Amino acid sequence: EEQLVESGGRVVRPGGSLRLSCAASGFDFGDLAMSWVRQAPGKGLEWVAGLNWNGGTAGYAESLQGRFAISRDNAKNALYLQMDSLRGEDTALYFCAQHRGPYHYTYPMHLWGQGTTVTVSS
Amino acid sequence: EIVLTQSPGTLSLSPGERATLSCRTSQRLTSNYLAWYQHKGGQAPRLLISGASRRATGIPDRFSGSGSGTDFTLIIERLEPDDFAVYYCQQYLTSPQTFGQGTKVEIK
Repeated sequence: EEQLVESGGRVVRPGGSLRLSCAASGFDFGDLAMSWVRQAPGKGLEWVAGLNWNGGTAGYAESLQGRFAISRDNAKNALYLQMDSLRGEDTALYFCAQHRGPYHYTYPMHLWGQGTTVTVSS
Repeated sequence: EIVLTQSPGTLSLSPGERATLSCRTSQRLTSNYLAWYQHKGGQAPRLLISGASRRATGIPDRFSGSGSGTDFTLIIERLEPDDFAVYYCQQYLTSPQTFGQGTKVEIK
């Protein structure tokens, strides 16, 4: 069974850093692009970042202003999101998602995890 | 970035009725790189439609997508209790990918 399981969410102070992880199983992780999507409380879905199959090309939401970095370890079937200079508006449920192709653009997100919660608060 | 505008914001309908959801994009989507997702609070979003009209695996034919260019539509026939949720359109033509703000389909 194809599965994505996120972890690493917790309460963190403004200005702090956090790394989220996503463990993939049941499919050829190294062949497919991956993304992070978030949902702030009471808000809609927001695409955060995407990464191509080999980690060579990443894309980010314009609103992040360079504070986040997406990466992957295909040997470990894992996706990561390094979040720095966290702000209150980064408080959200963070989902990882699998694209049905090698690029995070031109392929929709087919498989989603259940999410991990990040709360930025003093 | 490409901006997606969904309408209406909320649709109040009864089970058995038909829901019509609209999504307009600020730029033309070549190859119709437009998807629709269903999302219920606290759960993983579910892909319904990709390529504007192609149903994802396991999605019943009560769900249908149409449109091209900048105007797209999701129709849900004969609403069932499990269909009441928030629906998002999303463009995946270019990075950054963007979502519409969502349409909530609620029980009348």
